[in-house]
Amino acid sequence: SAVISQKPSRDICQRGTSLTIQCQVDSQVTMMFWYRQQPGQSLTLIATANQGSEATYESGFVIDKFPISRPNLTFSTLTVSNMSPEDSSIYLCSVRANRGTYEQYFGPGTRLTVT
Amino acid sequence: DAKTTQPPSMDCAEGRAANLPCNHSTISGNEYVYWYRQIHSQGPQYIIHGLKNNETNEMASLIITEDRKSSTLILPHATLRDTAVYYCIVRESNYQLIWGAGTKLIIKP
Repeated sequence: SAVISQKPSRDICQRGTSLTIQCQVDSQVTMMFWYRQQPGQSLTLIATANQGSEATYESGFVIDKFPISRPNLTFSTLTVSNMSPEDSSIYLCSVRANRGTYEQYFGPGTRLTVT
Repeated sequence: DAKTTQPPSMDCAEGRAANLPCNHSTISGNEYVYWYRQIHSQGPQYIIHGLKNNETNEMASLIITEDRKSSTLILPHATLRDTAVYYCIVRESNYQLIWGAGTKLIIKP
């Protein structure tokens, strides 16, 4: 398994500002993912971030709003830009095992509240 | 859309076995059954997965029917800390997890 940490664990931000969330993994992984979980809802995939290539965004998510960096095999950032109250969610970083049946592991999440 | 159907909620008495059902009638031959759980205010936690055979680990057992159209996750001796939302997901090993609504399991003292 992989141990994943996220910073910050929570934040309260003002409308129109941006927040960068960091994700650190204790081992090298090829595939990392960013999810959003709105209050009372299930997980929604924002994008897939592979090292050395541009992130791949799911329908409804765009790079200008959610820019992602993946500088190496153990680290990634997600920025939530020009925030509005609708961006209030838990943002989760996830990694997939490099082999076998590709189990997926999750960080503790970043709870974002936009006022 | 999620390929699985789960009851929205279940109760179980502490110390008893919790049996969580999942229907996946359209599962294909290459798709695995994965179970995750999400305890309140935490990230999802991997529990177990299987293809055809029943599986057991330190957390739970997974029973898959012979036709693979349904499965049951068994927590043999449920504790209050097992209260969580449990997600059953089917996917091919290198594909995305697609999350449904899951089953909210409440363990009662």
